[in-house]
Amino acid sequence: DAGVTQSPTHLIKTRGQQVTLRCSPISGHKSVSWYQQVLGQGPQFIFQYYEKEERGRGNFPDRFSARQFPNYSSELNVNALLLGDSALYLCASSLGGLGNYGYTFGSGTRLTVV
Amino acid sequence: DQQVKQNSPSLSVQEGRISILNCDYTNSMFDYFLWYKKYPAEGPTFLISISSIKDKNEDGRFTVFLNKSAKHLSLHIVPSQPGDSAVYFCAASGAGTGNQFYFGTGTSLTVIP
Repeated sequence: DAGVTQSPTHLIKTRGQQVTLRCSPISGHKSVSWYQQVLGQGPQFIFQYYEKEERGRGNFPDRFSARQFPNYSSELNVNALLLGDSALYLCASSLGGLGNYGYTFGSGTRLTVV
Repeated sequence: DQQVKQNSPSLSVQEGRISILNCDYTNSMFDYFLWYKKYPAEGPTFLISISSIKDKNEDGRFTVFLNKSAKHLSLHIVPSQPGDSAVYFCAASGAGTGNQFYFGTGTSLTVIP
């Protein structure tokens, strides 16, 4: 059974550009969360979606947006990229809400902004 | 404002000995804690969890201890194996945390054969 899949695995963008990252949760999981992990830091919460509705938002600017589709896959969009947006972006899925077993994470998308 | 702290960036242990990884938190509303393990080029993998109604949870070689009064938890790995070499993150959540986990900055464990 496939785990959480994220695409692309690596991405290089220029400052000011826009980027879309994609995530497919584990089959049957209805919740998707996005985290940003900067080098040397722990993951920082960006968004949580459950049943296609936003259920949580972290302390990130409005340049960050996301959505969840009827098949529970999700996209994270970042506009007007800054150098500081360079990070590993992790998607995590769970059956519902936070779940009693935490999340299952994907391998992430490594975004480099130059 | 780092609500979950792992003050040891790295730890080296001999194979077969005990590894103890520590984590401190500041938010008294946290009531659920997890440990994740992360290998390079992979996402974090869930290892073990504990809720605030317990002070200990075991799963094979892994045991997590929670001291609520000290706002401290620790992960014990016994015996340590070279395959345990990875970055370990503790994470916490609770009422009013907005459906998110707060992660520490990680401790890089190296188990020396």
